[in-house]
This record gives sequence, C-alpha cells and structure tokens, in this order.
Amino acid sequence: AQTVTQSQPEMSVQEAETVTLSCTYDTSENNYYLFWYKQPPSRQMILVIRQEAYKQQNATENRFSVNFQKAAKSFSLKISDSQLGDTAMYFCAFMKPYTGNQFYFGTGTSLTVIP
Amino acid sequence: GAVVSQHPSWVICKSGTSVKIECRSLDFQATTMFWYRQFPKQSLMLMATSNEGSKATYEQGVEKDKFLINHASLTLSTLTVTSAHPEDSSFYICSARTEAFFGQGTRLTVV
Repeated sequence: AQTVTQSQPEMSVQEAETVTLSCTYDTSENNYYLFWYKQPPSRQMILVIRQEAYKQQNATENRFSVNFQKAAKSFSLKISDSQLGDTAMYFCAFMKPYTGNQFYFGTGTSLTVIP
Repeated sequence: GAVVSQHPSWVICKSGTSVKIECRSLDFQATTMFWYRQFPKQSLMLMATSNEGSKATYEQGVEKDKFLINHASLTLSTLTVTSAHPEDSSFYICSARTEAFFGQGTRLTVV
C-alpha cells in the first residue's frame, strides 16, 4: 500500500517570502504521479502542481515549484513570493496510474500567509 | 476545461433518513468516479470507486449498504447515505477521470 506523509501540520510565512512544504511517500512502484493540491476555506480541491516520477526535471508552475527526490521518496513544494491568497490547506498526493487512478493523500499542511 | 459538478453543496437531514449526493461530469464522459470523505481538518479518505454500468468498489471499512453508489450513466454518479446518523456528518467530495477534476464537495449534517 502507498502511504503519504506530511510532517508539518501547520506553517506560516510572511507575505512575499518563500516557504517549503514537505512530503514523503512510500511505494514500491517505479511509475507513478505526485501532486500538490490546495484546499482553501471553500473546500474546493485545486490542483497546484503535478510531477511524473519518470521525469527527472522538477515541475514548476509560476510561483510554485517542487523538489522531487525519487530515491529519497521526497516531494516538497516551494511557494515563492507568498500571497495572502495562498492561505489554505495543502495536500500532497500519490497516484499509481492504470489502477483506476486512485489517489492517496497526505494528512495536509495548513499554511497561513501573514500580511 | 472539464468540470465536475457536485450537488447539493450542503444538506441537513434528520437521523434515520436517506440523503442522495450527485456528481456530474459536465463536458466529458467519466467511466470512473471516486468518492471521498473528509472529516474536519483531516485528509481525504477514499470511500469507493464508482464504475459506470457495474458495481462500485468499496474501500476496506466502508459499509456498502450504508453508502450506496450508483453510476448509471457516463456523466452521473450518485452517493446515497442511507439511514443517516450523526456520525455520518462529514464533507463528501467526488472526483472524475484524472487529477484535476474534483467536485465542490457536499457538507452533510445529520441532526
């Protein structure tokens, strides 16, 4: 079974600063996908960024980037130039393709951006 | 882009009654949909995988007789919470196809 661990229940960052959220996972698979989701107070799940395990290059999406360390099974999210709208719960997720696309979510990190 | 619509967004029901939650894919066909449950300040827990035209696959520990899932068409999956009790109060979220498409969620409160 796949497990996803987020060891930081809560984090805060000053507006315009950079913050890194940690995520580790455990799997015996070689081909898989990793994701970071944002869940604002509205509870709508919003995809922030995805990473294919077979790609060595770290994914980036504007202010969001990941540090994917496959051997270490680590997948951290870096948010640069933090904005007030980034305040939300952030979930790391693992998906093994071709098995119905089931997701395994971490326990989440509550991020607060301080003005 | 593809959108998944979930209805209702919130519902309050009396203990012992049944509640139906709908999950629709608006501009694509979804042969598979997923139902999650989220307790306050907790992560999403997969409840079941809904398969169009066949029985749903339930995760271990999920009561299939309490959480009835029907996926009768390629655009609609429904989750019915039968004989609801206060402990069934939670936030229920559906998703479809791939990683980007989650419904808005349904907050169920059983009183």
